[in-house]
Amino acid sequence: QKEVEQDPGPLSVPEGAIVSLNCTYSNSAFQYFMWYRQYSRKGPELLMYTYSSGNKEDGRFTAQVDKSSKYISLFIRDSQPSDSATYLCAMSALTGTASKLTFGTGTRLQVTL
Amino acid sequence: EPEVTQTPSHQVTQMGQEVILRCVPISNHLYFYWYRQILGQKVEFLVSFYNNEISEKSEIFDDQFSVERPDGSNFTLKIRSTKLEDSAMYFCASGKMDTQYFGPGTRLTVL
Repeated sequence: QKEVEQDPGPLSVPEGAIVSLNCTYSNSAFQYFMWYRQYSRKGPELLMYTYSSGNKEDGRFTAQVDKSSKYISLFIRDSQPSDSATYLCAMSALTGTASKLTFGTGTRLQVTL
Repeated sequence: EPEVTQTPSHQVTQMGQEVILRCVPISNHLYFYWYRQILGQKVEFLVSFYNNEISEKSEIFDDQFSVERPDGSNFTLKIRSTKLEDSAMYFCASGKMDTQYFGPGTRLTVL
């Protein structure tokens, strides 16, 4: 079983739709959860991070973590064509020093006009 | 807003040659990382660096790889004898313990 599983998509939605992106994980040591956005041939851009179960909202983005189910989600409201990108979930364990990120494979999102 | 920068953006090299990839992390960050992403695959951790030493390295980070922070601002990744399978995007990241900010990457092509 992979440590982090993410549906690669592609996911195509019309402009204005609510998008739901998800990851599951198997390692219960993961404590920090992040969502990155990556445009083609660019570096990952940090969108959201959280370390507790529950919801965290930032503008049109909401990150949700359910540690009991080992399941995290990112919701995008009022999606725009500029949201078209690959969305990567990433997570790390608290080790006390620099903590490596374990990434999902990424979900490619296409928002159409 | 401060950003992580990387040079060069694209490096082409012959198999067996040494390459050095350079990064300037965000100035008040203490933790530094290298990741790589082979085309079409997921981002993979290579190495983390804190307090002038390696904190953790993956099994990918074998003896042909080394990292250095030569002058307090730059952070470099050296690949001593490149192989075809080293062709990938290499990302530098810096951050605090719980967040990491990535640079734009260096695309390494080994011929």
